[in-house]
Amino acid sequence: AQRVTQPEKLLSVFKGAPVELKCNYSYSGSPELFWYVQYSRQRLQLLLRHISRESIKGFTADLNKGETSFHLKKPFAQEEDSAMYYCALYNYGQNFVFGPGTRLSVLP
Amino acid sequence: SQTIHQWPATLVQPVGSPLSLECTVEGTSNPNLYWYRQAAGRGLQLLFYSVGIGQISSEVPQNLSASRPQDRQFILSSKKLLLSDSGFYLCAWGSSYEQYFGPGTRLTVT
Repeated sequence: AQRVTQPEKLLSVFKGAPVELKCNYSYSGSPELFWYVQYSRQRLQLLLRHISRESIKGFTADLNKGETSFHLKKPFAQEEDSAMYYCALYNYGQNFVFGPGTRLSVLP
Repeated sequence: SQTIHQWPATLVQPVGSPLSLECTVEGTSNPNLYWYRQAAGRGLQLLFYSVGIGQISSEVPQNLSASRPQDRQFILSSKKLLLSDSGFYLCAWGSSYEQYFGPGTRLTVT
């Protein structure tokens, strides 16, 4: 069965510190993985997708098939990065499977 | 451009009462539509999805049902609400490339 796990419910870092939001998945095929973000009082929205190999707002995520991970990283956290982050997997059955989410709090 | 609407924004209903939440999409045709529930500590849970009119797939057996009477309309319903139905309900449309979420409905069952 497809599953996405995010071990940290809450992650607090200081401004300027590196941040890594962990995501692990279980899927039998070749996964398509995404990170979604929800800022305060805003809609849930796509942050980045692994197939694009892009960097958005300084965030990057690398798919590690050996470790079945898709961790989200940023070298220098900013206060405006504080938000709820969801890792998600597309299972080719028209469905997305979302992780439980990690709330990132960037302290001044 | 495509937009997605949900209403109402907030709803307070007593236990045992019926529920109807509506979602509509503009600017696209034959979209895949989704209902999610976002609960604190439990993340985002897919409830239903639809690939066309009258085609509904349920991911989690529960007290809720969904219908798609028109191409760009998706309705979440219940005949009798339970306390455990309280939560934040999100409608989305999209594909394998991306999901676009509505503003959500905060449901409180008292």
